[in-house]
Amino acid sequence: AQSVTQLDSQVPVFEEAPVELRCNYSSSVSVYLFWYVQYPNQGLQLLLKYLSGSTLVKGINGFEAEFNKSQTSFHLRKPSVHISDTAEYFCAVSSGTYKYIFGTGTRLKVLA
Amino acid sequence: DAGVIQSPRHEVTEMGQEVTLRCKPISGHNSLFWYRQTMMRGLELLIYFNNNVPIDDSGMPEDRFSAKMPNASFSTLKIQPSEPRDSAVYFCASRWRVEGDQTQYFGPGTRLLVL
Repeated sequence: AQSVTQLDSQVPVFEEAPVELRCNYSSSVSVYLFWYVQYPNQGLQLLLKYLSGSTLVKGINGFEAEFNKSQTSFHLRKPSVHISDTAEYFCAVSSGTYKYIFGTGTRLKVLA
Repeated sequence: DAGVIQSPRHEVTEMGQEVTLRCKPISGHNSLFWYRQTMMRGLELLIYFNNNVPIDDSGMPEDRFSAKMPNASFSTLKIQPSEPRDSAVYFCASRWRVEGDQTQYFGPGTRLLVL
């Protein structure tokens, strides 16, 4: 069975500092990986996705993620965060069927 | 392009009342999903439609919940009768089902409060 683990439920970081949000998954088959962002009182917006090819994926708003098959990870990074990045971030995995397995989310709090 | 559209955005109702949530998927998408989000359980898939046909409704909590997709551009999720424990945010998502890409696009959600 597939699973997704986001170990950090909350991550506080100062403005303009770098951040990494961790995502680990377990799966016995090839996977597709996604990061979504949810701003307060809004829906989930796709940040980036890994389907195949280059393991370094660039997304919107300056975010990027690296797929590491040997470590079964898909960590999200941004070199310099802004106050406006304060939101909840969800990692999701799909094995090619219609189902997503979502992580429990990481609340990023950017401090002035 | 318009994204997934959901209505209403907020709904407050009393226990026992019928609630109907509406969703218009992205034009051209052929798969539609209903999710429920709560603090305790996170994001749960309720039902999945492909080409307007329900494929997986195993996540529907109980018989009080029903969902329909009469055509490619409209879906409803109905709760009858509603209960306080149904209070949650309900999301609709859609995708174009194509080999090699499972990307789902989410609507803004309907925040339901059952008193």
